[in-house]
Amino acid sequence: QVQLQQSGPGLVKPSQTLSLTCAISGDSVSSDSAAWNWIRQSPSRGLEWLGRTYYRSKWSNEYSLSLRSRITINPDTSKNQFSLQLNSVAPEDTAVYYCAREVSSGWFNWGQGSLVTVSS
Amino acid sequence: QSALTQPASVSGSPGQSITISCTGTSSDVGAYNFVSWYQQHPGKAPKLMIYEVTNRPSGVSNRFSGSKSGNTASLTISGLQAEDEADYYCSSFTISSTWVFGGGTKLTVL
Repeated sequence: QVQLQQSGPGLVKPSQTLSLTCAISGDSVSSDSAAWNWIRQSPSRGLEWLGRTYYRSKWSNEYSLSLRSRITINPDTSKNQFSLQLNSVAPEDTAVYYCAREVSSGWFNWGQGSLVTVSS
Repeated sequence: QSALTQPASVSGSPGQSITISCTGTSSDVGAYNFVSWYQQHPGKAPKLMIYEVTNRPSGVSNRFSGSKSGNTASLTISGLQAEDEADYYCSSFTISSTWVFGGGTKLTVL
């Protein structure tokens, strides 16, 4: 059974970098049939896809067009996890952030969610 | 990308059937059969109910079914039960190799 465990700070100051990690059990971040996503949810923006990383003979990333200049998603094969970095955060980046495992174009497994508040 | 369009709310009585629509464009819903549906109860992570328009993950009741016509996808729940009361979201892959969500539909079981 695949499980995703999120970790990271719950409070980030404006203009700083939001960093979250998602540890994977029951699958491999290097799987050639899964993709590893970050999704967030806020009352004002609803569910919003942020981006993903996946391995198909080589590593690839795809990002939301609106966040492309601020976001990085990286796999860590040594720890079987992947991470999210969002730079230059503002209060509107306050949300519950989820990591999710994508297979066959569906997010089958989700992390527990991390509330990240951007405030000074 | 613009969000997919869902009704804000739907309701039905136990045992009835309801359908939730999800309208996109030829750049997302109409472009691929990569539409999925998620159920979310308060304070919980979303749960996959339908993927690739019509497929149900193992363990999801066959009371849930999906379809698509043109730029509009639909989720039908038959034999409504009290436990079905939740928020439902659709999602679609886009021609930009990104994903877009609908705004969500609150289902009330009367």
